[in-house]
Amino acid sequence: DVQMTQSPSYLAASPGESVSISCKASKSINTYLAWYQEKPGKTNKLLIYSGSTLQSGTPSRFSGSGSGTDFTLTIRSLEPEDFAVYYCQQHNEYPLTFGSGTKLEIK
Amino acid sequence: EVKLLESGGGLVQPGGSLRLSCAASGFTFTDFYMSWIRQPPGKAPEWLGVIRNKANGYTTEYNPSVKGRFTISRDNTQNILYLQMNTLRAEDTAIYYCARGHSGWFAYWGQGTLVTVSS
Repeated sequence: DVQMTQSPSYLAASPGESVSISCKASKSINTYLAWYQEKPGKTNKLLIYSGSTLQSGTPSRFSGSGSGTDFTLTIRSLEPEDFAVYYCQQHNEYPLTFGSGTKLEIK
Repeated sequence: EVKLLESGGGLVQPGGSLRLSCAASGFTFTDFYMSWIRQPPGKAPEWLGVIRNKANGYTTEYNPSVKGRFTISRDNTQNILYLQMNTLRAEDTAIYYCARGHSGWFAYWGQGTLVTVSS
């Protein structure tokens, strides 16, 4: 199985700041990485797939980059609604696997 | 509007069985791969398996962690996805989600149904 290692597990920031979340795969997954946002009481929201393709409806302040084993989710100019838990997921091979999550909290 | 609604969760004793359902609407069910994903409280999601679409013969793939105990099926006349879970263990306790995914990512998730395995 491809192991996905996310860091940091916890991140505190203020609205208006920019943050980055890292996701590393245990072997190359080409660019086949997705990012999700989890918020209480809401269904999980796909933000980005194939490394850098924004899902319809994802604000442009979100961006994804990387290939091979190293990937980054960047959120520019944080909005209050961005404080949530973020997960990466590789979609290169079965079994599909997720990272352990990053909780983004308001500082 | 795409909707996925899981049901069938609850409390079950270790060693027991449970069948979860996911009612799908708002899209042509037979066109899409459907997956089950679970998430223990406070932990990361775990993909359980997928059943492919009509064009790919409704074949299945499973996570080795549940292969042989869990079975995914679909009723394409009623647009329902199923997860049959046997020989349940305490570590199977989680919220179970169905999700629509075609190329390995999941644009649509249900709200989930909680399964608790405990005596």
